Amino acid sequence: NAGVTQTPKFQVLKTGQSMTLQCAQDMNHNSMYWYRQDPGMGLRLIYYSASEGTTDKGEVPNGYNVSRLNKREFSLRLESAAPSQTSVYFCASSERGTGGAETQYFGPGTRLLVL
Amino acid sequence: QKEVEQNSGPLSVPEGAIASLNCTYSDRGSQSFFWYRQYSGKSPELIMFIYSNGDKEDGRFTAQLNKASQYVSLLIRDSQPSDSATYLCAVASSGGSYIPTFGRGTSLIVHP
Repeated sequence: NAGVTQTPKFQVLKTGQSMTLQCAQDMNHNSMYWYRQDPGMGLRLIYYSASEGTTDKGEVPNGYNVSRLNKREFSLRLESAAPSQTSVYFCASSERGTGGAETQYFGPGTRLLVL
Repeated sequence: QKEVEQNSGPLSVPEGAIASLNCTYSDRGSQSFFWYRQYSGKSPELIMFIYSNGDKEDGRFTAQLNKASQYVSLLIRDSQPSDSATYLCAVASSGGSYIPTFGRGTSLIVHP
């Protein structure tokens, strides 16, 4: 199993450009997530999808949109990139574990630089 | 707002010592607790989870949970230089929002 995969690994954008970050998982998980990680800020949830066909905002959704294409794939779109969106983006998927909480597994990340 | 607090470190320990990483949380309804390890430039990797008070051991790792005092800790015995990484604590409730809230992580340095 590949687990959680993300493309691209690295991207440079100019302010105002758009792009889509792709994520796929082969673990048959229902839930998927997009996080951003900035120095000193930890992991911050952008959007999540509890199941195919549903999406919800997280802590920092402004400037982003998502699509849960099917059970395997969850994409993150930046419509008009801004320098403040320079970050490392992680996709994760999860399974409901003992205790009721979701145990998350992360992809390798996409490093985005917006100039 | 649910908060998860960790000392950012770095925590520096000699090789072979016990490294103790601590995490406190604000939500008394929290039920599940996770420790992730993140090497520089890599993604977080789950190493332990615990949901009952007390200790849970897995190899050189022991997670300790005290719900009354609202803290969870991770002990790493016989620390190795390869354990040098940032350790993220994550806390989740079983009801309502089941999504874990992450702390900012503690940087651990194990020196030879």
